[in-house]
Amino acid sequence: AQTVTQSQPEMSVQEAETVTLSCTYDTSESNYYLFWYKQPPSRQMILVIRQEAYKQQNATENRFSVNFQKAAKSFSLKISDSQLGDTAMYFCAFMPFYGGSQGNLIFGKGTKLSVKP
Amino acid sequence: DAMVIQNPRYQVTQFGKPVTLSCSQTLNHNVMYWYQQKSSQAPKLLFHYYDKDFNNEADTPDNFQSRRPNTSFCFLDIRSPGLGDAAMYLCATSRDWTGGDIQYFGAGTRLSVL
Repeated sequence: AQTVTQSQPEMSVQEAETVTLSCTYDTSESNYYLFWYKQPPSRQMILVIRQEAYKQQNATENRFSVNFQKAAKSFSLKISDSQLGDTAMYFCAFMPFYGGSQGNLIFGKGTKLSVKP
Repeated sequence: DAMVIQNPRYQVTQFGKPVTLSCSQTLNHNVMYWYQQKSSQAPKLLFHYYDKDFNNEADTPDNFQSRRPNTSFCFLDIRSPGLGDAAMYLCATSRDWTGGDIQYFGAGTRLSVL
């Protein structure tokens, strides 16, 4: 069974600085997707970034980028120029590409990020 | 312009009293999911509908049921809530059920059991 581990329950960063959130996962599959989702306080979870495992190039979305290390099963999220609106719970998630659970997200426990002015 | 809407946002029920949570979507997506998220834990998939086909996760208790009367609506029924069922319940949708499909979430319903 796949598992996702986020080792940092809480983090804080000063506005305009850079922060990196860690995520490791365990799977025996060679093809899969990885996601970072953001859940602001009392608001819905939204997709931050998606990575396809068979693509070696790291995904980027504006100030958000990932460091995907497939051999190490590591998928960290870097937030550059942090803004107050980045304050949220961040979830790392794994999705199999096929095999009967191909549409299912498996989440980590999350990292609570606080951006301080 | 909310695309996945959950009602109510907060629900209080009594121990053993049936409760229904509601989810609607304006995305016309084929798949709707229900997750349970307990405090400081990862969201856990309970089940999903692909169109009218119901797919239950193996470890979802029988106490939890779901209905999807049409494409837009999906309900979560808890037949006899226990104290351990107090949690945030998240509804999500995706266009299809294939690897990589993005899931769109509602804001959740926080259930309290007294």
